[in-house]
Amino acid sequence: DAKTTQPPSMDCAEGRAANLPCNHSTISGNEYVYWYRQIHSQGPQYIIHGLKNNETNEMASLIITEDRKSSTLILPHATLRDTAVYYCIANRDDKIIFGKGTRLHILP
Amino acid sequence: GAVVSQHPSWVICKSGTSVKIECRSLDFQATTMFWYRQFPKQSLMLMATSNEGSKATYEQGVEKDKFLINHASLTLSTLTVTSAHPEDSSFYICSASRTGWGNTIYFGEGSWLTVV
Repeated sequence: DAKTTQPPSMDCAEGRAANLPCNHSTISGNEYVYWYRQIHSQGPQYIIHGLKNNETNEMASLIITEDRKSSTLILPHATLRDTAVYYCIANRDDKIIFGKGTRLHILP
Repeated sequence: GAVVSQHPSWVICKSGTSVKIECRSLDFQATTMFWYRQFPKQSLMLMATSNEGSKATYEQGVEKDKFLINHASLTLSTLTVTSAHPEDSSFYICSASRTGWGNTIYFGEGSWLTVV
């Protein structure tokens, strides 16, 4: 699996869009970009995944650069409940290796 | 709702005893499930791959005789922590997905184990 790099922490004001970057410069053509988040003391929650095209669902949007070397997860209107550790993973099978992720703090 | 469920959510056991944690896929069959462990303020660490009908594959440094994994059906994998010690106290999490490239991988709610 390709290595991903994320900032260790970020702050975002409540109600604003949270944009979480991820670098995956060594990603291969058959690896998807997955985003998960983990709220304290819970199992990881699936957010979104994509291969080449930008994706949007009820939780978030995923913007993948044309060269696929980086991506951004966008939470359009952050709430306090979005406070969590967010993991970006580049993966081609079911076996996920977690990095340290980004700890997102939503500020009231 | 949850598509991967773990039981129990939390368990306290005495040192030297064994404890079993179950991981179930609720509305799909999973030939492969994965077990993770997470210590406080750390990321999830992959322990092993649970294969239906065959032996589990363990990550380097994980004792297979300590952490017994059984994947007897397409919807159930169990992790048994044998002869538990206080240092085995941790948050244990499983994952599973519908077979296929690019499919969503779901995680269970996690199981807190405290060994006293």
